[in-house]
Amino acid sequence: DTGVSQDPRHKITKRGQNVTFRCDPISEHNRLYWYRQTLGQGPEFLTYFQNEAQLEKSRLLSDRFSAERPKGSFSTLEIQRTEQGDSAMYLCASRPRSGTSASTDTQYFGPGTRLTVL
Amino acid sequence: AQTVTQSQPEMSVQEAETVTLSCTYDTSESDYYLFWYKQPPSRQMILVIRQEAYKQQNATENRFSVNFQKAAKSFSLKISDSQLGDAAMYFCAYSRASGTYKYIFGTGTRLKVLA
Repeated sequence: DTGVSQDPRHKITKRGQNVTFRCDPISEHNRLYWYRQTLGQGPEFLTYFQNEAQLEKSRLLSDRFSAERPKGSFSTLEIQRTEQGDSAMYLCASRPRSGTSASTDTQYFGPGTRLTVL
Repeated sequence: AQTVTQSQPEMSVQEAETVTLSCTYDTSESDYYLFWYKQPPSRQMILVIRQEAYKQQNATENRFSVNFQKAAKSFSLKISDSQLGDAAMYFCAYSRASGTYKYIFGTGTRLKVLA
């Protein structure tokens, strides 16, 4: 169990540019979440995958945001035409598949990608 | 809609003393989970303790325990024998026990531990 990893850890971009973040969940976890955390706030849910299927998207996820998990393993979150309001920490979390752990309700978080839009 | 409220933006505790962090939530669900996560500066969020709503017994994990009051919709965290390494942001989180199990977080409490 190597934990959830995210890449890059930090990203600085200019307004209007596109950015893509990657999340590698714990290998045996089939559920994956993306959250956004702004300064002084708790994380807010963005989207949820079970295997490769995106089953829920928050209304926070505007049409400039897209997330994928093509083979049910790693996931990417892309933001197009970034705005200064997109500056935040983007957190990824994964959760075990049912029947594999006593705490399949618990999410395990990665270190996050801090995005700064200039 | 479910909400989670942490009314203490910041708390301080002397090393070796006990501190209690407060969390209240609102839900119409009867079955759900509650969590406390710790987020040290520039480090990832880690689970401190979890509580299943259908269990009346309060969860404990070493120096960490909760006071779960289901009727009052209250879920406080008690840290005993506080250590310098306990200094962090603490987030209370809620998830339904069905569907996506997505978390709803409070705004966090910054805990300072004084030597």
